Amino acid sequence: GESVGLHLPTLSVQEGDNSIINCAYSNSASDYFIWYKQESGKGPQFIIDIRSNMDKRQGQRVTVLLNKTVKHLSLQIAATQPGDSAVYFCAENAGGTSYGKLTFGQGTILTVHP
Amino acid sequence: DTAVSQTPKYLVTQMGNDKSIKCEQNLGHDTMYWYKQDSKKFLKIMFSYNNKELIINETVPNRFSPKSPDKAHLNLHINSLELGDSAVYFCASSQTQGGGYTFGSGTRLTVV
Repeated sequence: GESVGLHLPTLSVQEGDNSIINCAYSNSASDYFIWYKQESGKGPQFIIDIRSNMDKRQGQRVTVLLNKTVKHLSLQIAATQPGDSAVYFCAENAGGTSYGKLTFGQGTILTVHP
Repeated sequence: DTAVSQTPKYLVTQMGNDKSIKCEQNLGHDTMYWYKQDSKKFLKIMFSYNNKELIINETVPNRFSPKSPDKAHLNLHINSLELGDSAVYFCASSQTQGGGYTFGSGTRLTVV
């Protein structure tokens, strides 16, 4: 399944499916992007990051794709598990004088059904 | 050992009161942040300190005053609390400017 971020949409998938969460970022000067996972009652947790000189990066069961032309970021989760249920945020950083300031998207709620 | 710890986890207080939230990180990071998360889960930066120096101060009411006694601590003091201050406040730290953050578990502030 797919979903578009920034408006807190909800994505429901079955256990074992692949999930795709999308994010449109706003600043063409952004050069560093991060995906975070936030479980209920907890702080955001780092999942994977990517720099602007790359268009794809893979982690364990997760892949981030970056399309700078259209300012689009996606997070793919393979073989989604119930423990993946959370709110997912993309974040961008413009570097330079931003001094580490991360600008977060609105988030996407992922619900995984057993 | 908790990497970024905030206290208290929950804070319920009346309008007009003054309250503080404390944050400590044991990661050796040199930059710390305060973020506010509203009821719609939107996360917005409030402040950032690098080695005890304020480097980011977003449009936040003067009632909010951060204090960093050393690079491992960043506290947030709020004067004259208002209903609209109710939110979850997250502390975070990072190793290098522009790097990924490590977040605390949040402080849920409820103003009644």
